[in-house]
Amino acid sequence: SQELEQSPQSLIVQEGKNLTINCTSSKTLYGLYWYKQKYGEGLIFLMMLQKGGEEKSHEKITAKLDEKKQQSSLHITASQPSHAGIYLCGADIYGYALNFGKGTSLLVTP
Amino acid sequence: KAGVTQTPRYLIKTRGQQVTLSCSPISGHRSVSWYQQTPGQGLQFLFEYFSETQRNKGNFPGRFSGRQFSNSRSEMNVSTLELGDSALYLCASSSLTSGGTSGGPVGDEQYFGPGTRLTVT
Repeated sequence: SQELEQSPQSLIVQEGKNLTINCTSSKTLYGLYWYKQKYGEGLIFLMMLQKGGEEKSHEKITAKLDEKKQQSSLHITASQPSHAGIYLCGADIYGYALNFGKGTSLLVTP
Repeated sequence: KAGVTQTPRYLIKTRGQQVTLSCSPISGHRSVSWYQQTPGQGLQFLFEYFSETQRNKGNFPGRFSGRQFSNSRSEMNVSTLELGDSALYLCASSSLTSGGTSGGPVGDEQYFGPGTRLTVT
């Protein structure tokens, strides 16, 4: 199966600082998904990347997929307390389901 | 457009019992997937349904089963509950309109419900 490794496992940043979360795959990614999860709740869809070199942005969050389609990064600019949560990357498997990384826990301090 | 809904939100059962969880996808979505999330294993794929057919199943024992109805609503059932079945069960719906191919993209965003927190005592 496709293994996804996320780094770092956890992150504490001061409000206003930038941060980056990485997601690395053992195989070529055909579709890479980023989700945010509040503790104990469902997943909120952030972005989906499919093409090598693709970059998408939504508000202060930017996600990129490298040319080789084995690594993705999620960058948050000027972090806010509302960005706190667990960020998960997911890769498609079987063509209709997702395999997820372990997640990155983000805490934003005042 | 209403999002994915799951019922119940919380459930407490004892070992040996069985449980049924329900998921209503976004209107128009025909693909429903189920996932189990635990602190130790993270998010793991259980199974996926499309047009009332289970297309694939993750690596879970036969105690875990599911079904999908003609209106795309889906249920999952866990029989003979074990302590290790305590988890957050999430379902996701997608507008994927045709069968996926192995290694190909899911095709569209998967939207998740709020989950059902199952506690087995």
